[in-house]
Amino acid sequence: QVQLVQSGAEVKNPGASVKVSCKASGYTFSNFGISWVRQAPGQGLEWMGWISVSHGNTKYGHNVQGRLTMTTDTSTSTVYMDLRSLKSDDTAVYYCARDRARWASSGPDAFDIWGQGTVVTVSS
Amino acid sequence: IQMTQSPSTLSASVGDRVTITCRASQSISNWLAWYQHKPGKAPKLLIYKASTLESGVPSRFSGSGSGTEFTLTISSLQPDDFATYYCQQYNSDPWAFGQGTKVEIK
Repeated sequence: QVQLVQSGAEVKNPGASVKVSCKASGYTFSNFGISWVRQAPGQGLEWMGWISVSHGNTKYGHNVQGRLTMTTDTSTSTVYMDLRSLKSDDTAVYYCARDRARWASSGPDAFDIWGQGTVVTVSS
Repeated sequence: IQMTQSPSTLSASVGDRVTITCRASQSISNWLAWYQHKPGKAPKLLIYKASTLESGVPSRFSGSGSGTEFTLTISSLQPDDFATYYCQQYNSDPWAFGQGTKVEIK
């Protein structure tokens, strides 16, 4: 079945980096963009960034611009999120989510498939 | 573009008709989605393009609106519907969610 499976929980010190993976299966990986969305404790959903797997272009949210890099590995159908210079405010559950529409080229669509979430804790 | 949902919290009983509003700070045409989110689970897509029901979602959920004002309606609230609901605009940068509406048991 169509699914996104994320890597496991991470605990990081402030100032460090974290890399979370999102492995896709059950569909043609290159046809759909992927976004990362996070939810900090007690807060709502925050869109962080999007990558067009087919075109390779990215869009990043203003809150993480300059600290976030999204990449893909088409050989393993995996998307990576690399967040640098971590702060305590980055403590959150991180989700990857697939565009509902194929071949979006300028930004994300609605998200129809979600990963299970990865808890990232930033603490000294 | 900023997305504002109201109310932030809603107390309702099983069987009630529930309406949640989402307003955009500028026109987003019909590029709006609604999600249901329960603790410990991934969000679930309910509605896309403002009014199109995602496959497998019960017909008691409906969406309407265009431009800057949108609504999500649950025609008869069921026990499984107690959750937090988010709108999301995907018209243009910055792509954003509303702050959420928590539907609680009255």
